[in-house]
Amino acid sequence: KQEVTQIPAALSVPEGENLVLNCSFTDSAIYNLQWFRQDPGKGLTSLLLIQSSQREQTSGRLNASLDKSSGRSTLYIAASQPGDSATYLCAVLDDKIIFGKGTRLHILP
Amino acid sequence: GAGVSQTPSNKVTEKGKYVELRCDPISGHTALYWYRQSLGQGPEFLIYFQGTGAADDSGLPNDRFFAVRPEGSVSTLKIQRTERGDSAVYLCASSLSSGADTQYFGPGTRLTVL
Repeated sequence: KQEVTQIPAALSVPEGENLVLNCSFTDSAIYNLQWFRQDPGKGLTSLLLIQSSQREQTSGRLNASLDKSSGRSTLYIAASQPGDSATYLCAVLDDKIIFGKGTRLHILP
Repeated sequence: GAGVSQTPSNKVTEKGKYVELRCDPISGHTALYWYRQSLGQGPEFLIYFQGTGAADDSGLPNDRFFAVRPEGSVSTLKIQRTERGDSAVYLCASSLSSGADTQYFGPGTRLTVL
């Protein structure tokens, strides 16, 4: 059974710092991995989708990597801003979509 | 263009009642998903539609839960004999053709069962 774990559960960093969020999954037979952002009381916004054949995707200050063999993905956020404060969720697709519990990120002004 | 919409945004009901939650996906998206999210948890998969048919309903917790998508666009999640444990945010998402595509989420319906 696929399990997705996100570490840390919560993170606070000063504005301007670079940071890394981690996601691990137990079964490497995935089709893709997707990172989402969720603001309080809101739905999810897709940030990056990495197909199983890809190793990374970039969008602006965000870079996501995927290492299927080790069952890991990281989301790198450069030059963090207070507006980046949110919960970040990763999800893997094998026969269904499985989400982690998320990392609550707080950027300190 | 319009995103995924869900109605109502909030629903309060009494234990034992029947509720319907509606999802309007992005026009042209053939894949539609329902999830349930409890506080502090990630979304939990419930059911996946491809067109009008339920391609995977393995996430529905029991037979009190049912979902339809009769014309391949709007979907309704139906919950019979609601229980307090059903209280959660119900999220709907759509994607262009399959789970391999980016999913676009609606704002969710917050269901509270008293």
